[in-house]
Amino acid sequence: QVQLVQSGAEVREPGASVKLSCKASGYTFTTHAMQWVRQVPGQSLEWMGWINTGNGDTNYSDKFKGRVTIARDTAASTGYMELRYLRTEDTAVYYCAREGGTYWCDPWGQGTLVTVSS
Amino acid sequence: QSALTQPASVSGSPGQSITISCSGTSNDIGNYNLVSWYQQHPGKAPKLIIYEVSERPSGVSHRFSGSKSGNTASLTISGLQAEDEADYYCGSYGGGRIRVFGTGTKVTVL
Repeated sequence: QVQLVQSGAEVREPGASVKLSCKASGYTFTTHAMQWVRQVPGQSLEWMGWINTGNGDTNYSDKFKGRVTIARDTAASTGYMELRYLRTEDTAVYYCAREGGTYWCDPWGQGTLVTVSS
Repeated sequence: QSALTQPASVSGSPGQSITISCSGTSNDIGNYNLVSWYQQHPGKAPKLIIYEVSERPSGVSHRFSGSKSGNTASLTISGLQAEDEADYYCGSYGGGRIRVFGTGTKVTVL
């Protein structure tokens, strides 16, 4: 079955960086884009960015431009999201999701909790 | 890139129907039939329940239906059940390769 499995929880100090992974299985990785979405505890979903897994093209939310990089390794069927210059308010669960042809997200990874604290 | 606007909470009794609105602009919902809806239970990842405004993925209950009028999309849950108690989010293509989500609605089954 189609599945996305994300890397484990991370703890970082303010100012540091974190790189998360999202391994896809059950489908041809390069035929579907991948989105990254975060959810601060108790708050709503927030779109961070997107990668065309076929050609590597990316686009980011204005809120995260300059701090985020989304990449992929087609041989490993894995997507990555790196967030730099972390702040305490970046504490959140970060999700990857497979994007359908008309911009829907399905399925989602299980989420990775990133805690930013000194 | 503002979030789509949803009511913070909606409630209903078992068996009733409820509707959740999702208000956008002419740049997103109003310009594209690319609205999706997601159900999220506490501590779980979101689950797709509606795509392309009104299409249901395989396996999703027929009690969930979607529609759109102008800049506003709606999700209706008919025959409300206890298991429907969850958070619901809308999403839309926003043009320029941007995606946007809604502010989220907590559904309570009384």
